[in-house]
Amino acid sequence: SYVLTQPPSVSVAPGKTARITCGGNNIGSKSVHWYQQKPGQAPVLVIYYDSDRPSGIPERFSGSNSGNTATLTISRVEAGDEADYYCQVWDSSSDLHVVFGGGTKLTVL
Amino acid sequence: EVQLVQSGAEVKKPGESLKISCKGSGYSFTSYWIGWVRQMPGKGLEWMGIIYPGDSDTRYSPSFQGQVTISADKSISTAYLQWSSLKASDTAMYYCARGVITGTTHWFDPWGQGTLVTVSS
Repeated sequence: SYVLTQPPSVSVAPGKTARITCGGNNIGSKSVHWYQQKPGQAPVLVIYYDSDRPSGIPERFSGSNSGNTATLTISRVEAGDEADYYCQVWDSSSDLHVVFGGGTKLTVL
Repeated sequence: EVQLVQSGAEVKKPGESLKISCKGSGYSFTSYWIGWVRQMPGKGLEWMGIIYPGDSDTRYSPSFQGQVTISADKSISTAYLQWSSLKASDTAMYYCARGVITGTTHWFDPWGQGTLVTVSS
C-alpha cells in the first residue's frame, strides 16, 4: 500500500515561514490534500488539489507538489497556526482507499 | 451551512456492541460519500471506510474490514459506524467526514465533531 512520510515536528518563530513536507513515491502524480487539527478539535481542510484553498482559509496557506515531495507552506506564521497537520492522498491502485500521512506537529516558538 | 453532527461519547465494556451516528445537513446527503476516520489517543488519523448513501455502496480499509460495519439511512440523512464486539483497543475518537470524490482524487470536507468511544472493564 502507498505510504506518506511526514516529519514528526516543525518549529518556527512567529512571522516566519513554515514548510511541512509529505513524501511519497512519485507523489507528484497524485493530488495531495492537507488538514489542520488543533488540540481537542476535529480536522479542518486547509488545502486540496495540491494548492487550492477552501473558502475561509487564509492566503498565508499554500501548497505545492512535485516529484516525491508535497509541501504545505504557511507564511507569516501566527500563534494560532500551532496544530497538527496531515497530508492525504487517494491511493488509486486500491479500491477508493484513502491514505493519511503520520502528521506533523507545528510549534510556534 | 454544510454540517455533520455526531452522536455523543460512549463508555462501553469489552464484548459489548455499539452503533454511533453522523447526521448530515445543509447539502444533498445522497450525493456525497461519508467517510469514517479513527484517531487513537495521541496518534494520527486512520481511514476506516466510506459509504455512498445514495446506493449504500461501501468500501473498507483492509485494516478495518470485518472489524466494523458502515451503513446509512438516507431517509434521515444519517450514517453509522458499528461494532458487534468491542475491544479495549477500540478506544479512540471517531470522526465522520463528507467525502468529495472526483475522477482522480478524494478529500474530506467538512468533518463531524467526533465521537469518543471508551472501552474499559
